[in-house]
Amino acid sequence: GAGVSQSPSNKVTEKGKDVELRCDPISGHTALYWYRQSLGQGLEFLIYFQGNSAPDKSGLPSDRFSAERTGGSVSTLTIQRTQQEDSAVYLCASSLAGLAPNEQFFGPGTRLTVL
Amino acid sequence: SQQGEEDPQALSIQEGENATMNCSYKTSINNLQWYRQNSGRGLVHLILIRSNEREKHSGRLRVTLDTSKKSSSLLITASRAADTASYFCARRTGGTSYGKLTFGQGTILTVHP
Repeated sequence: GAGVSQSPSNKVTEKGKDVELRCDPISGHTALYWYRQSLGQGLEFLIYFQGNSAPDKSGLPSDRFSAERTGGSVSTLTIQRTQQEDSAVYLCASSLAGLAPNEQFFGPGTRLTVL
Repeated sequence: SQQGEEDPQALSIQEGENATMNCSYKTSINNLQWYRQNSGRGLVHLILIRSNEREKHSGRLRVTLDTSKKSSSLLITASRAADTASYFCARRTGGTSYGKLTFGQGTILTVHP
């Protein structure tokens, strides 16, 4: 595919369950970003990958959140023991490189609802 | 908040009118980007302006940047109903290490046919 893809598009889970969100960046893009968009909170940066390493995890809200990237491509964001406040749209973006200037290409997002 | 402010929060206009959205920020930037979001899902990159640029055009879009006032504006001329969306400014901050973006709260634009 030509764009960034994310799966699932929607996820409904019960409080306390673990969830995994997947992001497939554009082929050849070395930089990958996760953002979260909540009502009233705008878009928040979560984590940045350059290749398989994550030099900036400063936006992860708690140790229940983790992410990995393998083969310099697909990334998985894992939320353990989900809470209702985790409900949000999780957006993934990729860019050719992390260096400026860079245009980030966003996926359609995963809407997570924690009941 | 280091995200800065966008105004107005919501803007409602008639088709054919111009729409102006403003973005202010607090920290120094490397560049500033504008994105559009439809229906609360994926964002689409519109235009990027570097910190040493003052104005940039792309089709019906015109972006200005005033680094002394730490503000930017996005002008959409001859608006269309299809321009209805949320518009976000995003600042690239930090050094040359990577392109983390810090987003504003956004402006919801409604263009009535």
